[in-house]
Amino acid sequence: AQSVTQLGSHVSVSEGALVLLRCNYSSSVPPYLFWYVQYPNQGLQLLLKYTSAATLVKGINGFEAEFKKSETSFHLTKPSAHMSDAAEYFCVLGGGADGLTFGKGTHLIIQP
Amino acid sequence: EPEVTQTPSHQVTQMGQEVILRCVPISNHLYFYWYRQILGQKVEFLVSFYNNEISEKSEIFDDQFSVERPDGSNFTLKIRSTKLEDSAMYFCASSGTSFTQYFGPGTRLTVL
Repeated sequence: AQSVTQLGSHVSVSEGALVLLRCNYSSSVPPYLFWYVQYPNQGLQLLLKYTSAATLVKGINGFEAEFKKSETSFHLTKPSAHMSDAAEYFCVLGGGADGLTFGKGTHLIIQP
Repeated sequence: EPEVTQTPSHQVTQMGQEVILRCVPISNHLYFYWYRQILGQKVEFLVSFYNNEISEKSEIFDDQFSVERPDGSNFTLKIRSTKLEDSAMYFCASSGTSFTQYFGPGTRLTVL
Protein backbone atom coordinates (compact mmCIF):
# COMPACT_ATOMS: atom_id res chain seq x y z
CA ALA A 1 0.00 0.00 0.00
CA GLN A 2 1.14 3.52 -0.72
CA SER A 3 1.57 6.07 2.04
CA VAL A 4 2.92 9.55 2.64
CA THR A 5 4.25 10.90 5.91
CA GLN A 6 4.74 14.60 6.48
CA LEU A 7 6.84 15.38 9.53
CA GLY A 8 5.47 18.28 11.50
CA SER A 9 1.85 19.38 11.29
CA HIS A 10 3.00 22.97 11.90
CA VAL A 11 6.26 24.62 10.87
CA SER A 12 7.10 28.17 11.86
CA VAL A 13 9.91 30.19 10.25
CA SER A 14 10.91 33.82 10.22
CA GLU A 15 10.46 35.91 7.11
CA GLY A 16 13.62 35.57 5.00
CA ALA A 17 14.63 32.27 6.60
CA LEU A 18 14.94 28.88 4.92
CA VAL A 19 11.76 26.86 4.55
CA LEU A 20 12.09 23.07 4.87
CA LEU A 21 8.99 20.86 4.82
CA ARG A 22 9.69 17.17 5.17
CA CYS A 23 7.99 14.33 3.32
CA ASN A 24 8.67 10.61 3.21
CA TYR A 25 6.81 8.15 1.07
CA SER A 26 6.27 4.43 0.70
CA SER A 27 5.50 2.96 -2.69
CA SER A 28 5.94 -0.43 -4.31
CA VAL A 29 6.28 1.13 -7.77
CA PRO A 30 8.32 4.08 -9.03
CA PRO A 31 6.42 7.02 -7.65
CA TYR A 32 5.07 10.21 -9.05
CA LEU A 33 5.34 12.80 -6.30
CA PHE A 34 3.73 16.20 -5.97
CA TRP A 35 3.54 19.13 -3.63
CA TYR A 36 0.26 21.01 -3.54
CA VAL A 37 -0.42 24.22 -1.64
CA GLN A 38 -3.71 25.38 -0.17
CA TYR A 39 -4.02 29.05 0.72
CA PRO A 40 -6.73 30.04 3.21
CA ASN A 41 -10.22 29.53 1.81
CA GLN A 42 -8.88 28.41 -1.56
CA GLY A 43 -8.49 25.16 -3.47
CA LEU A 44 -5.42 22.99 -3.99
CA GLN A 45 -2.77 24.47 -6.27
CA LEU A 46 0.02 22.43 -7.84
CA LEU A 47 3.40 23.63 -6.60
CA LEU A 48 5.68 21.13 -8.32
CA LYS A 49 5.89 17.52 -9.47
CA TYR A 50 8.45 14.73 -9.81
CA THR A 51 7.92 12.23 -12.62
CA SER A 52 11.27 10.39 -12.78
CA ALA A 53 13.15 12.95 -14.85
CA ALA A 54 15.46 15.26 -12.88
CA THR A 55 15.68 14.51 -9.14
CA LEU A 56 15.74 18.22 -8.27
CA VAL A 57 12.44 19.74 -9.24
CA LYS A 58 11.73 23.44 -9.40
CA GLY A 59 8.24 24.76 -8.86
CA ILE A 60 6.39 28.01 -8.63
CA ASN A 61 7.08 30.83 -6.16
CA GLY A 62 10.73 29.83 -5.67
CA PHE A 63 10.03 26.41 -4.17
CA GLU A 64 11.95 23.29 -5.09
CA ALA A 65 12.05 19.67 -3.97
CA GLU A 66 14.62 16.91 -4.21
CA PHE A 67 13.71 13.28 -4.80
CA LYS A 68 15.99 10.92 -2.86
CA LYS A 69 15.19 7.31 -3.59
CA SER A 70 17.64 5.95 -0.99
CA GLU A 71 15.89 7.95 1.72
CA THR A 72 12.37 7.65 0.20
CA SER A 73 12.08 11.39 0.71
CA PHE A 74 10.78 14.37 -1.23
CA HIS A 75 11.42 17.38 0.98
CA LEU A 76 10.25 20.85 -0.08
CA THR A 77 12.51 23.86 0.34
CA LYS A 78 12.60 27.58 -0.31
CA PRO A 79 15.73 29.64 0.43
CA SER A 80 13.92 32.71 1.76
CA ALA A 81 10.41 32.68 3.21
CA HIS A 82 7.91 35.39 2.35
CA MET A 83 4.80 36.30 4.29
CA SER A 84 2.69 35.22 1.30
CA ASP A 85 4.01 31.65 1.68
CA ALA A 86 1.82 31.08 4.72
CA ALA A 87 -0.45 28.20 3.74
CA GLU A 88 -1.08 24.47 4.09
CA TYR A 89 1.32 22.27 2.09
CA PHE A 90 0.51 18.73 1.03
CA CYS A 91 2.96 16.09 -0.14
CA VAL A 92 1.13 13.78 -2.52
CA LEU A 93 1.91 10.39 -4.05
CA GLY A 94 0.35 9.17 -7.24
CA GLY A 95 0.79 7.54 -10.59
CA GLY A 96 -1.06 7.35 -13.84
CA ALA A 97 -4.80 7.84 -13.77
CA ASP A 98 -5.26 6.51 -10.23
CA GLY A 99 -6.32 8.45 -7.20
CA LEU A 100 -3.69 10.40 -5.31
CA THR A 101 -2.52 9.61 -1.79
CA PHE A 102 -2.18 12.72 0.35
CA GLY A 103 -0.06 13.39 3.39
CA LYS A 104 -1.76 15.01 6.39
CA GLY A 105 -0.42 18.41 5.44
CA THR A 106 1.96 20.90 7.05
CA HIS A 107 0.76 24.31 8.08
CA LEU A 108 3.52 26.83 7.33
CA ILE A 109 3.57 29.89 9.56
CA ILE A 110 5.73 32.87 8.66
CA GLN A 111 6.82 35.08 11.54
CA PRO A 112 7.50 38.74 10.68
CA GLU B 1 -5.55 29.87 -17.75
CA PRO B 2 -8.10 27.03 -17.72
CA GLU B 3 -9.32 25.96 -14.32
CA VAL B 4 -11.65 23.52 -12.65
CA THR B 5 -14.79 25.11 -11.25
CA GLN B 6 -17.20 23.76 -8.64
CA THR B 7 -20.70 24.73 -7.55
CA PRO B 8 -22.01 25.48 -5.06
CA SER B 9 -19.20 26.73 -2.85
CA HIS B 10 -21.21 25.83 0.24
CA GLN B 11 -24.15 23.43 0.56
CA VAL B 12 -26.18 22.92 3.71
CA THR B 13 -28.58 19.97 3.84
CA GLN B 14 -30.61 17.92 6.29
CA MET B 15 -29.58 14.39 7.15
CA GLY B 16 -31.20 11.90 4.79
CA GLN B 17 -31.50 14.34 1.92
CA GLU B 18 -29.89 13.88 -1.48
CA VAL B 19 -27.23 16.32 -2.66
CA ILE B 20 -25.56 16.80 -6.00
CA LEU B 21 -22.20 18.52 -6.18
CA ARG B 22 -21.21 19.88 -9.55
CA CYS B 23 -17.87 20.32 -11.26
CA VAL B 24 -16.75 21.62 -14.61
CA PRO B 25 -13.36 20.07 -15.41
CA ILE B 26 -10.76 21.62 -17.69
CA SER B 27 -12.19 21.30 -21.18
CA ASN B 28 -9.65 18.99 -22.89
CA HIS B 29 -9.11 16.72 -19.87
CA LEU B 30 -10.22 13.10 -19.99
CA TYR B 31 -9.82 11.91 -16.38
CA PHE B 32 -11.99 13.16 -13.55
CA TYR B 33 -11.80 12.66 -9.80
CA TRP B 34 -13.56 13.41 -6.54
CA TYR B 35 -11.83 13.77 -3.19
CA ARG B 36 -13.04 14.80 0.23
CA GLN B 37 -11.43 16.41 3.25
CA ILE B 38 -13.16 16.07 6.60
CA LEU B 39 -12.27 18.98 8.87
CA GLY B 40 -8.90 18.37 10.48
CA GLN B 41 -8.16 15.26 8.46
CA LYS B 42 -6.24 14.47 5.31
CA VAL B 43 -7.59 14.72 1.77
CA GLU B 44 -9.02 11.33 0.75
CA PHE B 45 -9.58 9.91 -2.70
CA LEU B 46 -13.16 8.90 -3.50
CA VAL B 47 -13.41 7.98 -7.18
CA SER B 48 -11.86 8.38 -10.62
CA PHE B 49 -13.81 8.43 -13.88
CA TYR B 50 -12.68 7.88 -17.45
CA ASN B 51 -14.48 7.18 -20.69
CA ASN B 52 -17.88 7.45 -19.01
CA GLU B 53 -17.24 4.88 -16.36
CA ILE B 54 -15.66 4.56 -12.93
CA SER B 55 -12.03 3.45 -13.24
CA GLU B 56 -11.16 3.30 -9.55
CA LYS B 57 -12.95 3.89 -6.26
CA SER B 58 -11.98 3.85 -2.63
CA GLU B 59 -13.65 2.09 0.30
CA ILE B 60 -15.37 5.37 1.16
CA PHE B 61 -17.24 5.38 -2.15
CA ASP B 62 -20.10 3.07 -1.17
CA ASP B 63 -23.58 2.65 -2.65
CA GLN B 64 -24.65 6.03 -1.30
CA PHE B 65 -22.34 7.74 -3.76
CA SER B 66 -22.59 7.97 -7.53
CA VAL B 67 -20.89 9.98 -10.25
CA GLU B 68 -22.07 11.05 -13.62
CA ARG B 69 -20.98 13.07 -16.61
CA PRO B 70 -24.43 14.13 -17.82
CA ASP B 71 -23.17 16.24 -20.71
CA GLY B 72 -19.90 17.22 -22.32
CA SER B 73 -18.86 19.63 -19.60
CA ASN B 74 -20.24 18.74 -16.17
CA PHE B 75 -19.09 16.04 -13.75
CA THR B 76 -21.31 15.42 -10.74
CA LEU B 77 -21.11 13.65 -7.41
CA LYS B 78 -24.42 12.53 -5.89
CA ILE B 79 -24.90 11.48 -2.30
CA ARG B 80 -28.27 9.73 -2.06
CA SER B 81 -29.02 9.94 1.64
CA THR B 82 -26.62 12.19 3.48
CA LYS B 83 -25.27 11.35 6.92
CA LEU B 84 -23.71 13.65 9.50
CA GLU B 85 -20.31 12.13 8.74
CA ASP B 86 -20.58 13.21 5.09
CA SER B 87 -19.90 16.78 6.21
CA ALA B 88 -16.63 17.68 4.53
CA MET B 89 -14.98 19.72 1.80
CA TYR B 90 -15.37 17.95 -1.54
CA PHE B 91 -12.81 18.59 -4.25
CA CYS B 92 -13.13 17.82 -7.92
CA ALA B 93 -10.02 17.34 -10.05
CA SER B 94 -9.25 16.62 -13.67
CA SER B 95 -6.20 15.54 -15.62
CA GLY B 96 -5.10 15.12 -19.19
CA THR B 97 -2.53 12.81 -20.69
CA SER B 98 0.18 14.01 -18.29
CA PHE B 99 -1.93 12.71 -15.38
CA THR B 100 -1.17 15.80 -13.33
CA GLN B 101 -4.38 16.52 -11.45
CA TYR B 102 -5.75 20.06 -11.24
CA PHE B 103 -8.17 20.78 -8.44
CA GLY B 104 -11.23 22.96 -8.13
CA PRO B 105 -11.84 25.29 -5.17
CA GLY B 106 -14.05 22.78 -3.39
CA THR B 107 -17.63 22.57 -2.11
CA ARG B 108 -18.14 22.66 1.63
CA LEU B 109 -20.97 20.27 2.51
CA THR B 110 -22.63 20.67 5.90
CA VAL B 111 -25.11 17.99 6.95
CA LEU B 112 -27.39 18.96 9.85
